[in-house]
Amino acid sequence: KQEVTQIPAALSVPEGENLVLNCSFTDSAIYNLQWFRQDPGKGLTSLLLIQSSQREQTSGRLNASLDKSSGRSTLYIAASQPGDSATYLCAVEYGNKLVFGAGTILRVKS
Amino acid sequence: DAGVTQSPTHLIKTRGQQVTLRCSPKSGHDTVSWYQQALGQGPQFIFQYYEEEERQRGNFPDRFSGHQFPNYSSELNVNALLLGDSALYLCASSASVGTGFRQFFGPGTRLTVL
Repeated sequence: KQEVTQIPAALSVPEGENLVLNCSFTDSAIYNLQWFRQDPGKGLTSLLLIQSSQREQTSGRLNASLDKSSGRSTLYIAASQPGDSATYLCAVEYGNKLVFGAGTILRVKS
Repeated sequence: DAGVTQSPTHLIKTRGQQVTLRCSPKSGHDTVSWYQQALGQGPQFIFQYYEEEERQRGNFPDRFSGHQFPNYSSELNVNALLLGDSALYLCASSASVGTGFRQFFGPGTRLTVL
């Protein structure tokens, strides 16, 4: 069964901290892995996409890594800001579908 | 260039009724996928349409059906609504899925079943 797990479920940090969100998946036969951001009641915004042949992707203060062999990905957020407060979702692409984790709710306190 | 659009934004129905949700894909995209996101959970894959046919389906009952039109837009239909169908319904489009192309999501339709 293809399952995606995200740890922690929730995280509260002071502004300026560097933080790491974790994602693990059970089936390593992936096409790619994406990290999304979701604000309350809103749709999904794609942050980073890592192809199965890649090890990491970077965009501004965000860096995502992928280790297919161990079934893990991490999202690193540098110098967190209150505007980063949102739910972060990890999604693994298997064939024609995305399998999502339940998300990590991030709160950055000013 | 408009992104993925969905209508309506919000919808309130009662148990047993039927509902139709609509999605227009991003320009240049020919594949549409639908996801259901219950409160506090990640989105769950319902099905995907390509070339006007259902290409793959998730673990959802036959009450959930869809359609894709020649202009690539899509509809999601849910019959005999249950309270548990209350959720945010997300549509995603892509140029090709299964080859690493990114799926772009719409803002969603919030369905409340009373």
